[in-house]
Parts: sequence; structure tokens; C-alpha cells
Amino acid sequence: QKEVEQDPGPLSVPEGAIVSLNCTYSNSAFQYFMWYRQYSRKGPELLMYTYSSGNKEDGRFTAQVDKSSKYISLFIRDSQPSDSATYLCAMTTNAGGTSYGKLTFGQGTILTVHP
Amino acid sequence: GAVVSQHPSWVICKSGTSVKIECRSLDFQATTMFWYRQFPKQSLMLMATSNEGSKATYEQGVEKDKFLINHASLTLSTLTVTSAHPEDSSFYICSAGNRDRGYEQYFGPGTRLTVT
Repeated sequence: QKEVEQDPGPLSVPEGAIVSLNCTYSNSAFQYFMWYRQYSRKGPELLMYTYSSGNKEDGRFTAQVDKSSKYISLFIRDSQPSDSATYLCAMTTNAGGTSYGKLTFGQGTILTVHP
Repeated sequence: GAVVSQHPSWVICKSGTSVKIECRSLDFQATTMFWYRQFPKQSLMLMATSNEGSKATYEQGVEKDKFLINHASLTLSTLTVTSAHPEDSSFYICSAGNRDRGYEQYFGPGTRLTVT
């Protein structure tokens, strides 16, 4: 079983829809959670960074973390064709030393928003 | 967010030659830089972690003599693929973090390496 599970999709929605992306994880040591957006042939772009259970909102994006259920979500409101990309969840522990910042990624969800 | 650049964005080299890829954090000091490899339609695979002024820590299965990593300053890390072979063709991406700022990590745009 992978440490982080993410449905690879693909997910196709009409413009304006609310998109829900999810990841589950098994390692209770994960403390910091990130969502990245990656366009084809580009590096991942950090969208959201959270470190506690609850919700965090930034514009059309809302990140939700439920540590008790080991479940994180990213919601995209009023989705646009420009949101079409692969969305990666990533998480890490609070380890230091040589283990600092090692990210464990989900498989990525391919999202297409059609006009 | 922070800005990380990579150079070159695309490189083609002949089998047996070496290629150097640069990763720069433009607006913050990166105590730690990470190098990833990504194959088409797959997630990122961590190759190594480099801390400024220290030797890189390589992930299991990554040949340290083939993928030379240097992190000489807080803004620059380099990855040199030595004696490249066609199977080294891939998308290489770096990311940067600062352990004094937390666990956010910012990625570069990636370098596409093609070995002929």
C-alpha cells in the first residue's frame, strides 16, 4: 500500500464547476501538506500549504486537512479552462537533518475543465 | 511564492558526454535543494537532497557517481549527469526550501534532457 493515495482520474468538468480533489495517507507522522499544480512539461507550482487540520482559503482554492481521518482535499470553485492541469498532493514530516523536507507525493490527478 | 529557475530548460547531448543543470533560487535563501526526476505521466521521483555546504544525500538506487550534485551557495545547486546514456533522458526538476522558514518547497520549471 502506498503511503499517499490519490485518484489519478482523469477528471473532466465543465467550466464553472466546483472541483474536489482528494488524497488519503497512512503515515501519521505527516504534519505539513501541500497541493501543487503542474502543467504539461513544467515544474509543479505550489498552490496551498497547510500544517494543521482545518480549512485554508486562497482565492478560488480551499485546502482542507483532516488529520484524524488522514484525508486532505483541495476544492476549486468556479473552475476555468486554465485550471486544466495535473494536481499533486504532497506531504512531509517535521523531521530535520537529512530528512528535512522530503516530500511524499500522490500520483497526481489529471483535471480537464472544458468550456 | 518564491521563484526558482533552472538552466537550461532543454538540452540534447550525445551519449557519453556530461551535462550540467543549474538550479537557482532567485528571491530567497535555499538551505536545502532537492533534485527530482519525472517520467511521462508519472509523479516525481526524488533523486537526492542537498544542503548548502554539505555533501548531497542520495536516495536508494541513485548512482552518486553518475549524478553529481553540488550546492555551493544558498542560491545555487547544480546537477551534473556524467557519461550520459539514452536511458538518462528524462525531465529533471529541482526544488528549494529553507529550513528556517518551514516546510514549503518551491519548484523550478524543469530541464528536459535528451541523450542521443
